[in-house]
Amino acid sequence: DSGVTQTPKHLITATGQRVTLRCSPRSGDLSVYWYQQSLDQGLQFLIQYYNGEERAKGNILERFSAQQFPDLHSELNLSSLELGDSALYFCASSAVAGGSLDTQYFGPGTRLTVL
Amino acid sequence: ILNVEQSPQSLHVQEGDSTNFTCSFPSSNFYALHWYRWETAKSPEALFVMTLNGDEKKKGRISATLNTKEGYSYLYIKGSQPEDSATYLCALTNTGNQFYFGTGTSLTVIP
Repeated sequence: DSGVTQTPKHLITATGQRVTLRCSPRSGDLSVYWYQQSLDQGLQFLIQYYNGEERAKGNILERFSAQQFPDLHSELNLSSLELGDSALYFCASSAVAGGSLDTQYFGPGTRLTVL
Repeated sequence: ILNVEQSPQSLHVQEGDSTNFTCSFPSSNFYALHWYRWETAKSPEALFVMTLNGDEKKKGRISATLNTKEGYSYLYIKGSQPEDSATYLCALTNTGNQFYFGTGTSLTVIP
């Protein structure tokens, strides 16, 4: 158990809908990262937050947004869902802002299925 | 988008064999190279973070080396055990703190 929690574990929804995925980092970790793992692609970095501020942005679609709250938990909002958004979404946390040099601890993931 | 390549794609070895895999990456804008171990039905687990050319890291029977000038890293497993069976992922981070993952090497250790 990495200490990173993600909810829900599974989510099934329809095209065009909007969902929110939640992540709680390890106690004391200030950075949160979001990743997408879809069947036809490897692990894709979406976005990183540090202490409430966006730190780095990857291949995140405009339909997706994220934020990190004062209690350091983070939410990933996915809207106007398409079939291709079906994937496993991971959250990871690390202690400091310099995420590139920091050990990341991954949560168990949220499996999103868009029908 | 940076292209990170891993080889081989999959590997089957006998218990006790030593093995190694390669991660190749473009060396421009290099900041760090990460190795992860990802067991089926679990989450990725960080193994190493390396930044300097010539870096070598070791964790038990697993070690890694880094060559930033030629753009590659090797992961070595000495005396493979069945519990080493997993997918081994590498990821490059650039100076913009963005992560680029390879597609992984799937290792199966046969008892």
